[in-house]
Amino acid sequence: DQQVKQNSPSLSVQEGRISILNCDYTNSMFDYFLWYKKYPAEGPTFLISISSIKDKNEDGRFTVFLNKSAKHLSLHIVPSQPGDSAVYFCAASETLPGNQFYFGTGTSLTVIP
Amino acid sequence: DVKVTQSSRYLVKRTGEKVFLECVQDMDHENMFWYRQDPGLGLRLIYFSYDVKMKEKGDIPEGYSVSREKKERFSLILESASTNQTSMYLCASSFGGASQPQHFGDGTRLSIL
Repeated sequence: DQQVKQNSPSLSVQEGRISILNCDYTNSMFDYFLWYKKYPAEGPTFLISISSIKDKNEDGRFTVFLNKSAKHLSLHIVPSQPGDSAVYFCAASETLPGNQFYFGTGTSLTVIP
Repeated sequence: DVKVTQSSRYLVKRTGEKVFLECVQDMDHENMFWYRQDPGLGLRLIYFSYDVKMKEKGDIPEGYSVSREKKERFSLILESASTNQTSMYLCASSFGGASQPQHFGDGTRLSIL
């Protein structure tokens, strides 16, 4: 049973506009959330994280929002650039030994020049 | 920078063979992980280890085993390869404790013929 879901397999955005990627989770015990970016033929690279004690975390053009009551997080990229075209995975974990993460199925973002 | 190195980028094996995938990290991380990535299914955890000689089953351990004899090295073993194990395999590592991002290698594209 998928505990982390990304319901949009793909998203296309014009360069310079905002990209919004969404993620939903079912386990209320999750307390740490991350976004990864993955280019073809490379491993995922860590992008940004947020802990459950916050509702927003910002790093340059990337902002992650967490809505605990809705069990929803989103990644905003402003402004979007062609180099942002990649697959984005969200992941969640709860505080347990081993630091196991649950990943969504990914959203493929295409930024159109 | 964290370096997670997977021994092969591409590997072709035959059904029934015993296959070894090797992963080495250089950051003294306590935790190490093996995932497989398949289209539409995201990243699924096969096994993880939070200490030398320790291993825990992930979501899809059937047909796989692992070995962690040294802290920096985590091996995934396909005991008798089958065609449904054709996939992208990703190794990751992280520090112990809560709220630590995982760092990934570039993956091994394994084809079982």
